[in-house]
Amino acid sequence: GDSVTQMEGPVTLSEEAFLTINCTYTATGYPSLFWYVQYPGEGLQLLLKATKADDKGSNKGFEATYRKETTSFHLEKGSVQVSDSAVYFCALSSGNKLVFGAGTILRVKS
Amino acid sequence: DAGITQSPRHKVTETGTPVTLRCHQTENHRYMYWYRQDPGHGLRLIHYSYGVKDTDKGEVSDGYSVSRSKTEDFLLTLESATSSQTSVYFCAIRSTGTGNAGANVLTFGAGSRLTVL
Repeated sequence: GDSVTQMEGPVTLSEEAFLTINCTYTATGYPSLFWYVQYPGEGLQLLLKATKADDKGSNKGFEATYRKETTSFHLEKGSVQVSDSAVYFCALSSGNKLVFGAGTILRVKS
Repeated sequence: DAGITQSPRHKVTETGTPVTLRCHQTENHRYMYWYRQDPGHGLRLIHYSYGVKDTDKGEVSDGYSVSRSKTEDFLLTLESATSSQTSVYFCAIRSTGTGNAGANVLTFGAGSRLTVL
């Protein structure tokens, strides 16, 4: 079945460092791809999405590009802030459902 | 705000007791979902609904049942709770934007933390 693999965390960075969180997927067809973020004690929020190959999703300084050839959707940010500390989930659409990766904890130190 | 609320937000119960979690939406969306979140597993789909009285199983449906008697409410029931069902449960609704704008975008509730002793 469809699946998503994310890099394991936690990822610990200093403020203003560059962030990459790797995400690869296995799917039949051409799914839409998503990054969701979960701040402590809250539900998940959509961060960005891409619906077809070569699309770039972006929001709040975060970016991810849908790479069909490498089946990847890596999340990047040029300069992280303490407020970016959260759990990040990569996901793909599978029919009427979303399939999530295991999540990556990001900790940003000041 | 998408208008989705979960209740209760926290519950502690004993093994073997029945538990019902409620998800309520004010948006009139057709699709509703129940996921559970566990460390190392991310979110896993338990059940989902695509309309009143229309439901289907997800990947971890054993030990759970659901009901949707009206559009706004989606109930998740643990008939006889076990310690392995200790988890955080999230309800979600699916947005229905035009074209690809809203396709398969889920909006989540704040979660219900269940502890089974």
